[in-house]
Amino acid sequence: EVQLVQSGAEVKKPGESLKISCKGSGYSFTSYWIGWVRQMPGKGLEWMGIIYPGDSETTYSPSFKGQVTISADKSISTAYLQWSSLKASDSAMYYCARLPEDDDDYWGQGTLVTVSS
Amino acid sequence: IQLTQSPSSLSASVGDRVTITCRASQGIRSYLAWYQQKPGKAPNLLIYDASTLQSGVPSRFSGSGSGTDFTLTISRLQPEDFATYYCQQRNTYPLYTFGQGTKLEIK
Repeated sequence: EVQLVQSGAEVKKPGESLKISCKGSGYSFTSYWIGWVRQMPGKGLEWMGIIYPGDSETTYSPSFKGQVTISADKSISTAYLQWSSLKASDSAMYYCARLPEDDDDYWGQGTLVTVSS
Repeated sequence: IQLTQSPSSLSASVGDRVTITCRASQGIRSYLAWYQQKPGKAPNLLIYDASTLQSGVPSRFSGSGSGTDFTLTISRLQPEDFATYYCQQRNTYPLYTFGQGTKLEIK
């Protein structure tokens, strides 16, 4: 069974760094793209960027380029989303999702990030 | 590619037929999916390739369209259908953008 399990909720202060994770299981982790999706409170879904763990090729949506870093450690089947200096506006729910292909569609459970002084 | 959904919100009653539209800023062939999202949950795939129903999704959901104009129709609303719906284009591999969402509320 394919599963994407994300790390738990985080509460951080502005300016702090953060790295959240998404562990894949039940499939060949290196063979599928994994992306990150932001959902700000009461707002819609935004595709942030995506990584191919097999060779670490990464693509970012223009709005998120330079704001976050996406990486992966294929030895432990885990993808990451990180910030070097959080802002209050980074407060959101973050989902990881395997790049969908036809009816093949898998999402993590979401990680809530709260940034507040 | 920008996706514009309309309406942004919609009030309807159980048993109603509702239609949500999604317009792409450029042609995306039939590479469009529809998702349903309920509060606090990850999105759930309903339809892909514009009109193919995901396994397990009730037949009251249907999709149509190609090129730039697409629709999602729910033929007879059930209480569990009140949620937010998103279209997603799958034409620009590997960045698949979403529409802004349509919130379907009970009248």
